Amino acid sequence: NAGVTQTPKFQVLKTGQSMTLQCAQDMNHNSMYWYRQDPGMGLRLIYYSASEGTTDKGEVPNGYNVSRLNKREFSLRLESAAPSQTSVYFCASSEFSGEGEKLFFGSGTQLSVL
Amino acid sequence: TQLLEQSPQFLSIQEGENLTVYCNSSSVFSSLQWYRQEPGEGPVLLVTVVTGGEVKKLKRLTFQFGDARKDSSLHITAAQPGDTGLYLCAGVGPNFGNEKLTFGTGTRLTIIP
Repeated sequence: NAGVTQTPKFQVLKTGQSMTLQCAQDMNHNSMYWYRQDPGMGLRLIYYSASEGTTDKGEVPNGYNVSRLNKREFSLRLESAAPSQTSVYFCASSEFSGEGEKLFFGSGTQLSVL
Repeated sequence: TQLLEQSPQFLSIQEGENLTVYCNSSSVFSSLQWYRQEPGEGPVLLVTVVTGGEVKKLKRLTFQFGDARKDSSLHITAAQPGDTGLYLCAGVGPNFGNEKLTFGTGTRLTIIP
């Protein structure tokens, strides 16, 4: 059971460099998310995609762009990395039940921007 | 932005002891979830509570949603080393289907063998 797969696991960038974080899910979920996790601040939503072909800003979208390539894949791009973007990034997909939305997370990407 | 505050931020106890962690807000939530996150992994959903006053049990874990749907607690009985992890609560606002989850800051629990 692959679930949600993120790559890479670790990345170190210099200020100003660009990179793309990849995410794929094999659960046929419509909704996908990108979060960042910083000490003492919980998980904060960067962008989400409610369905293939749509994307929306979350709480902290500045400095990021996303692409919903198809139903399986949702990528996050940093065009010009800044030290403030040092964080652990999580991708998630979700399904809805009678109790609401249930999120399934990938194992994260630890990003350091020097 | 609806804020969810979790307490304590850190908790370290001996194996076999009982503990309670809390998730509080000034906002009303239509539902509230608890996740556990282990080092190097993403959060995993433990439970969802929907009704004010609702109590759910998952083996040695007991989850309660406050009557006013503004707060929740997680009680662990006879803690085991396998309970070690970061516990996150997450709430959905009162408009339910149109709102995204807001996560709390987490309680980092360590169970000492």
